[in-house]
Order: sequence, then structure tokens, then C-alpha cells
Amino acid sequence: DIQMTQSPSPLSASVGDRVTITCQASQDISNYLNWYQQKPGKAPKLLIYDASNLQTGVPSRFSGSGSGTDFSLTISSLQPEDVATYYCQQYDSLPFFGPGTKVEIK
Amino acid sequence: EVQLLESGGGLVQPGGSLRLSCAASGFTFFNYAMSWVRQAPGKGPEWVSGIGGSGGGTYYADSVKGRFTISRDNSKKTLYLQMNSLRDEDTAVYYCAKERYGVVVVNTFEYWGQGSLVIVSS
Repeated sequence: DIQMTQSPSPLSASVGDRVTITCQASQDISNYLNWYQQKPGKAPKLLIYDASNLQTGVPSRFSGSGSGTDFSLTISSLQPEDVATYYCQQYDSLPFFGPGTKVEIK
Repeated sequence: EVQLLESGGGLVQPGGSLRLSCAASGFTFFNYAMSWVRQAPGKGPEWVSGIGGSGGGTYYADSVKGRFTISRDNSKKTLYLQMNSLRDEDTAVYYCAKERYGVVVVNTFEYWGQGSLVIVSS
């Protein structure tokens, strides 16, 4: 199985800050990597697919990058509504989610 | 508007069975693969099973293989998950999810239902 790790967790930042969450795969997964946002009591929501493609309707302050084993999700200007847990998910093999990064407002 | 509505969850004893359903609307159901993803309390999501748009091609996580069966009825636009020999560790919210790419199971989950809670406990 391909394992995923994420850092940091939790992440505390101020409104307007640029924040970056990293995700590392245990082996090369090319760009088969998605990012999801989950707010309390809600289902996860697809933000980024194929490592760097913004899902329709997602604000442009979200961006993704990386390939191989190292990936990142960046929020260019943190907003109060971005408080959530963020998960990476690989689909190079049977899909597996990372442990999540909880983003909080300082 | 894509809508996915799960039903069938509840409390079941260890060793028991339960069937979840997911009613889909707002898209051409048979053109998309579908999956079940679960989330135990306080944990991250865990993929459970996926099925191709025509019903061919089914896939399972090792943790449920041989106990769970995924199926779909395209005439009813409904996805199912038959869960047998349930264990305490199967306790979770179960989400159905629509594939982003089409009939083939690629495992990019574009839309999710609101979830159905399954509790396995004596």
C-alpha cells in the first residue's frame, strides 16, 4: 500500500496569511493526487485534482503543486471560511487518504 | 444539480448485516463510476469500494474484501453496499461518491452524499 503523510497538523495562521500544507507519498505516484476540504459535520469537498487542477467553483486562492512523492496545497490568503481539515488522497493504486491537516485561525 | 442521498444506516450487532443505498440525481448515472468511502469517528476518510458505470469492474479495500459487496441499478439510478459479517471497526459514516472522470473507476471523488451512519455494537 502507498502511505501518505501530511504536515503540519494542526496549522494555525492569521486571516490573510499565505499557508502551505505538504503531503508526501511513500513512493512515486506521478501526479495522481487530489486534495479535499472537510468542514465539521460535512462531507469532504474536492478542491484540487491531478495535483494542480482547480475543481470548478473552488476559489482561486487555492492552488496545488508537486509530482512524484512531494506535493503541496497553498491558500494564498487565508479566509475565515477556510477553517477546515484538509486531506490529500492518492489514486495511483487503490485510493488512500492522508491523515489530514486541521487549519485554524490564530 | 448533482445530488446523492444515502440511506439504510443504523445500529447493528457484530456479525450482522446491513444494506446501504445511494439515490443519485442531477447527472447521467450510468456514465459515471461510483464509490463508497467511510469515515470512522475522529478519523480521516477511508475508501471502501468502487464500481464502474456499467456495473462491471468492482474494487474493494482489503479491510472489507469478502464481506462487502458493491452493486448498482442504473435503471433506478441507485448505488448499493451490502455489508455482511460486520465488525466493531466498521462503525463509521458511509458516503457514496461520484467519480469525476466517467465510467471507469479512477478514484477522484467529485461529489459526495451527506453520509449514512453505521454503528456496529452489541
